[in-house]
Amino acid sequence: SYVLTQPPSVSVAPGKTARITCGGNNIGSKSVHWYQQKPGQAPVLVIYYDTDRPSGIPERFSGSNSGNTATLTINRVEAGDEAEYYCQVWDSNRGVFGGGTKLTVL
Amino acid sequence: EVQLVESGGALVQPGGSLRLSCAASGFTLSAYSMIWVRQAPGKGLEWVSYISTTGETIYYADSVKGRFTVSRDNARNSLFLQMNSLRDEDTAVYYCARPYCSTTSCYSDYWGHGTLVTVSS
Repeated sequence: SYVLTQPPSVSVAPGKTARITCGGNNIGSKSVHWYQQKPGQAPVLVIYYDTDRPSGIPERFSGSNSGNTATLTINRVEAGDEAEYYCQVWDSNRGVFGGGTKLTVL
Repeated sequence: EVQLVESGGALVQPGGSLRLSCAASGFTLSAYSMIWVRQAPGKGLEWVSYISTTGETIYYADSVKGRFTVSRDNARNSLFLQMNSLRDEDTAVYYCARPYCSTTSCYSDYWGHGTLVTVSS
């Protein structure tokens, strides 16, 4: 089965740039979607099809995908961005999530 | 406004059964495939099941195949997950979500708030 690997944690100071990676075998050939989840809440879609942002998601959120790594980039990080972030792909007729990355805003 | 409301979560003994429901509103359920995703306490998201618009196509995660059955009633705007032979490791918050699927990928733009299933003796 397809495996997505994320770093368990990323820390960043307010106003700086956070980059959260999602590794997978030739993931660049797949569409990657990203979700933000805050404690006690349902996930929220922040990036779909590698680079697209749903309405209501700030332009500070962007995505890229190439080779064996997809990346979620959050510019000018704010305290409210502190959350768990999950990447997701569709493989062999099933969804696959990464293990999640806890973003801490210092 | 799109809303998904799960219900049916409870405390159940290992080996027991439970049926979850997801009530959909604000959109035409029959036009969308649907999925279930779960999250064990303190753990990450795990995709559980997919059902097509008519229920003709269904997929399951290996961890639940043969024990869980997904179904839907479009006339009642409802999605269901019948869970049998429950195990401790099935303990989780179960979310229903509305996916947007192309020919190659699916993502979920709307999620319910989740319902907690606890499997314990």
